[in-house]
Amino acid sequence: QSVLTQPPSVSAAPGQKVTISCSGSSSNIGNNYVFWYQQLPGTAPKLLIYDNNKRPSGIPDRFSGSKSGTSATLGITGLQTGDEADYYCGTWDSSLSAGVFGGGTKLTVL
Amino acid sequence: EVQLLESGGGLVQSGGSLRLSCAASGFSFSSYAMLWVRQAPGKGLEWVSVISGSGGSTYYADSVKGRFTISRDNSKSTLYLQMNSLRAEDTAIYFCAKDRVIIKVVGMGDYWGQGTQVTVSS
Repeated sequence: QSVLTQPPSVSAAPGQKVTISCSGSSSNIGNNYVFWYQQLPGTAPKLLIYDNNKRPSGIPDRFSGSKSGTSATLGITGLQTGDEADYYCGTWDSSLSAGVFGGGTKLTVL
Repeated sequence: EVQLLESGGGLVQSGGSLRLSCAASGFSFSSYAMLWVRQAPGKGLEWVSVISGSGGSTYYADSVKGRFTISRDNSKSTLYLQMNSLRAEDTAIYFCAKDRVIIKVVGMGDYWGQGTQVTVSS
């Protein structure tokens, strides 16, 4: 059971928009920055969003992040078949003194 | 260009030990915390451990506390994970990652290696 809760799967058609939620508590999301990662099959995770809503260089602005209270959301617009991947949220948990991840969300672009 | 290359994985019997290494290049290694994250077959990411740039602070997931030890050699730009008392549930791909923020321990990575496979047989 993951400390952060994500939906197991989401799907949408090419060109559409999708959001992925990540729910936590005051000891993690509520008081720490949220990160989002994309993991394509057979590859290492890739940083998509850091500090709740910032994009590393090279990440298109189709990807966005937001945080409100103890929840965070990843948004992806203009969906492409290449976006099919597993997406993970992560943050620090101040009570555990450890990093924590969500269970991951599989995105299917229909 | 940041590069992280893990090594040391392999097949080990339950109760055995293994030491993973992660050779880093392309950034000021001693200025950044470094972390280990693992992924069991068909499962999600599991955070394992982080060490500060100086090596003076370390943090562990409860699942590995007391069995795993993270360390680093800044003169060699290399991160290590000593894994003892290994269990079948430790079977996973182990990734090393560079912490995102300089000096501070954030515990989340921006650059990741390709991983090394650890298989524990029971």
